[in-house]
Amino acid sequence: NAGVTQTPKFQVLKTGQSMTLQCAQDMNHEYMSWYRQDPGMGLRLIHYSVGAGITDQGEVPNGYNVSRSTTEDFPLRLLSAAPSQTSVYFCASTGANSPLHFGNGTRLTVT
Amino acid sequence: GQQLNQSPQSMFIQEGEDVSMNCTSSSIFNTWLWYKQDPGEGPVLLIALYKAGELTSNGRLTAQFGITRKDSFLNISASIPSDVGIYFCAVLRGNQFYFGTGTSLTVIP
Repeated sequence: NAGVTQTPKFQVLKTGQSMTLQCAQDMNHEYMSWYRQDPGMGLRLIHYSVGAGITDQGEVPNGYNVSRSTTEDFPLRLLSAAPSQTSVYFCASTGANSPLHFGNGTRLTVT
Repeated sequence: GQQLNQSPQSMFIQEGEDVSMNCTSSSIFNTWLWYKQDPGEGPVLLIALYKAGELTSNGRLTAQFGITRKDSFLNISASIPSDVGIYFCAVLRGNQFYFGTGTSLTVIP
């Protein structure tokens, strides 16, 4: 099992550019989520999904969009990148009687 | 969001020493989790606690769910170099997991 796979591992964007961070899981988990990790701030929830076709906002959703067209995939879109979105982004998933499984992160720099 | 206060923020210890860290909240939670993040990787679950007062061990790690349901602590005994990393507490409320700010652990050989 690959678990939770995130791509790309690293990305540099210019202010105003858009991009999509990819997340895929092969554990048939219904629940998927996106976090950002900043120094001294811990992990903050951006968006989450409890199943295909269902998404909801977390603590810090502004500037990010998500969709969940399949159980396996949960992409995170930045429509117009800002320097404040420089961070490490983690995707995580969980299912019944399962802990939250994290991917290895995408390190994003916005200049 | 739910504010989880983790302390200490960072620790520098000698190999072989015991480590203790804790996590407190002003709210009550029914699930407390402890995760470890190795450098360059995503967090991995260490211990899950589901009952107030519960004391659970996983090798050299021991965690307790506070009786008030507002706190939890994690102890690591006889630390080794591979214990280095960031330790996060987390709680579950509804469909959302909330994480503490983390305790960064450095083990000096």
